[in-house]
Amino acid sequence: SQQGEEDPQALSIQEGENATMNCSYKTSINNLQWYRQNSGRGLVHLILIRSNEREKHSGRLRVTLDTSKKSSSLLITASRAADTASYFCATGDYGGSQGNLIFGKGTKLSVKP
Amino acid sequence: DAGVIQSPRHEVTEMGQEVTLRCKPISGHDYLFWYRQTMMRGLELLIYFNNNVPIDDSGMPEDRFSAKMPNASFSTLKIQPSEPRDSAVYFCASSLRGRNTEAFFGQGTRLTVV
Repeated sequence: SQQGEEDPQALSIQEGENATMNCSYKTSINNLQWYRQNSGRGLVHLILIRSNEREKHSGRLRVTLDTSKKSSSLLITASRAADTASYFCATGDYGGSQGNLIFGKGTKLSVKP
Repeated sequence: DAGVIQSPRHEVTEMGQEVTLRCKPISGHDYLFWYRQTMMRGLELLIYFNNNVPIDDSGMPEDRFSAKMPNASFSTLKIQPSEPRDSAVYFCASSLRGRNTEAFFGQGTRLTVV
């Protein structure tokens, strides 16, 4: 089944810098979602981008989607220590089962104050 | 709504014992998912339900695992008998329309089998 793969596995930056995480997937998708997980907590939805969209913004988050390259990126601008978390992309196969929301292994982001 | 509620938050059990994890989804959500998270394998989809009916259980690792959803507000994931390799964090999530809408996750149950 489909699975997104995030890159890099880990990222360490200083507060105020931008953080970019990438996600690659294998087959056609309906949409792609990004989630955040703070240590010891459940995942929290950040943003959903549909296959016919190329870019989406939400506050300090910017997500791009390139269906020709089967990849997406999540940019966090002006990072804060509170952004320290793991970030996951999730996809569902186009035409596949409606419930198959498959997650990658995530990027662990550390923002140093 | 209080969100997706899972219980217990932590469970420590001995190998061979039966373990039951519980989940209350958000009211009105038609889809319920069970995931397992480990360092080695990441977040794995075990099974999901649509309108209380199990749709895809291909992620359930073994026959020792079973899941039920007797009504729209309650689901269980049972492991019988439990083994040390079942140690993981188990998440329940719910959504309005499956993969096309955001999933809301519970806080998870950290299971340790000794």
